[in-house]
Amino acid sequence: NAGVTQTPKFRVLKTGQSMTLLCAQDMNHEYMYWYRQDPGMGLRLIHYSVGEGTTAKGEVPDGYNVSRLKKQNFLLGLESAAPSQTSVYFCASRPLAGGGDNEQFFGPGTRLTVL
Amino acid sequence: GDSVTQMEGPVTLSEEAFLTINCTYTATGYPSLFWYVQYPGEGLQLLLKATKADDKGSNKGFEATYRKETTSFHLEKGSVQVSDSAVYFCALSSFYNFNKFYFGSGTKLNVKP
Repeated sequence: NAGVTQTPKFRVLKTGQSMTLLCAQDMNHEYMYWYRQDPGMGLRLIHYSVGEGTTAKGEVPDGYNVSRLKKQNFLLGLESAAPSQTSVYFCASRPLAGGGDNEQFFGPGTRLTVL
Repeated sequence: GDSVTQMEGPVTLSEEAFLTINCTYTATGYPSLFWYVQYPGEGLQLLLKATKADDKGSNKGFEATYRKETTSFHLEKGSVQVSDSAVYFCALSSFYNFNKFYFGSGTKLNVKP
């Protein structure tokens, strides 16, 4: 099992450009999450999904959109990138069975720089 | 709302020293508690967890006990190694809305030989 994978690993954008980050998981998990990690601020939840075709806003959703057309994939889009979106982005997944006892499984991260 | 507070770092220790990283939480109901570790350039990995009061989670020499009376889940290790240098995150899974995870801000540990 590959677990949670993220594409790309690194990206540099210019202000105003758009891009999509792809997260894929092969564990058949229902829940998927996108976080950003900034120095001194821990992890902040951007958007999450509780199942195929559903998405919800997290703590810092502005400037991002997401889609979950297939259960195994969760896409994060930046329509018009801004320097404030320079960050490391992590995707995570979690199974439904077992409820709150289950941990989240994390991908390796995408380092995004917006110039 | 639910939240997690952990001690600020960085924490610098010599090899074989005793480690404690404090974590306290605020939550309604009976959340599950987790410690994650992040090595440089990598994603977060689960280190240990506890799902009910008085449970002790343990892994790789690390331990943490779920203390409901003090709303704490402090991470301890008796003898740290250089390879333990990483950022450690305390987290909780909300009891009433287990879609949600709440992370502390992370504590960086530096272990010197």
